[in-house]
Amino acid sequence: TQLLEQSPQFLSIQEGENLTVYCNSSSVFSSLQWYRQEPGEGPVLLVTVVTGGEVKKLKRLTFQFGDARKDSSLHITAAQPGDTGLYLCAGLIQGAQKLVFGQGTRLTINP
Amino acid sequence: NAGVTQTPKFQVLKTGQSMTLQCAQDMNHEYMSWYRQDPGMGLRLIHYSVGAGITDQGEVPNGYNVSRSTTEDFPLRLLSAAPSQTSVYFCASSYSWTGGSPLHFGNGTRLTVT
Repeated sequence: TQLLEQSPQFLSIQEGENLTVYCNSSSVFSSLQWYRQEPGEGPVLLVTVVTGGEVKKLKRLTFQFGDARKDSSLHITAAQPGDTGLYLCAGLIQGAQKLVFGQGTRLTINP
Repeated sequence: NAGVTQTPKFQVLKTGQSMTLQCAQDMNHEYMSWYRQDPGMGLRLIHYSVGAGITDQGEVPNGYNVSRSTTEDFPLRLLSAAPSQTSVYFCASSYSWTGGSPLHFGNGTRLTVT
């Protein structure tokens, strides 16, 4: 059973479209991070959200942490082929020293 | 700085063989961890360490051992490899395990057990 459920697992859209990726759990997290991974490499951190309801923007990417700190979303506006990759959410379990990951969303942006 | 270095990049083992996956970081990070990545499963935590001499189990620790004798190194040992351990293994480090600290990943070791 996955502690963090990401949806969708696969997404293929055309350049210029908008998309949202979701990361949900029944557990409360102290913080939540989003990573992006390219083939043959390790994940690289995009953002960390800590406060319930927090919204962070990174150019065309908007990240939101749920009010109850159990879920998060990643919204990409006007997607570009360079956004193609595997997106992973990861939550720090409250009171523990473990960062657990979702299954990942493999995103393909077609020119 | 090299960051997190993993060796080897690729390895093929026969069932029952043992091996050690090496991980070293030069950022003086206290927190280090090992993950395995399988299709559709994301990254699953195997073992982690919050400092030299301290290790603990993650989500999928069975079949793996770790030790942390120095701040820099965190090797992962497979005592008797099984086909179910075929995976890509990532080592990661962070200056702290508390919220907000980014994990820095190595480039992975692709292990095949036949």
